Amino acid sequence: EADIYQTPRYLVIGTGKKITLECSQTMGHDKMYWYQQDPGMELHLIHYSYGVNSTEKGDLSSESTVSRIRTEHFPLTLESARPSHTSQYLCASSETGGSYNEQFFGPGTRLTVL
Amino acid sequence: AQRVTQPEKLLSVFKGAPVELKCNYSYSGSPELFWYVQYSRQRLQLLLRHISRESIKGFTADLNKGETSFHLKKPFAQEEDSAMYYCALQYYGGATNKLIFGTGTLLAVQP
Repeated sequence: EADIYQTPRYLVIGTGKKITLECSQTMGHDKMYWYQQDPGMELHLIHYSYGVNSTEKGDLSSESTVSRIRTEHFPLTLESARPSHTSQYLCASSETGGSYNEQFFGPGTRLTVL
Repeated sequence: AQRVTQPEKLLSVFKGAPVELKCNYSYSGSPELFWYVQYSRQRLQLLLRHISRESIKGFTADLNKGETSFHLKKPFAQEEDSAMYYCALQYYGGATNKLIFGTGTLLAVQP
């Protein structure tokens, strides 16, 4: 079944740890996105990719990094987690082509850094 | 710079009452606007887009370029409409189109 998967769903981790948030999609989409959302606030685009080996920073500056080695996989990494990274992270994907494309969202990862 | 504003964090109405969720935008280009919805324990999903001029689950939204608004309306609210609603503006940056979201409005429909 075509879907977007994010793991873990919840993560509580100590300061200084390296973490990777996983995002995979079986939608066959070329474009993928990472958003960060603090409680009660809007979603902010932090990274996007329009295909394999292409990654760009989004509108909100983030200390995280991403990679796109496979079409279906778009992991986000924090080399050294800090309490300021505590947030919800949403992954999304969309088709290529057309004047507008619906973005499909994963269930999100809620990260807490102690 | 592009911006989406949803002035109400919470809108509480009774079942059967009309609903209007406000959204205003600023964008120098030709806007493409969307409403996304997130029901409890579910994912964020597209509700409707202005270019389709469609009605989804009884909701409609009309783009008013003069007032730079894209308010979401429903004549008679249902309890199952209770959810978080986000207005979003699509713009073109870099090699792809991007979305800017508002802060969202929590709609609570009371029985």
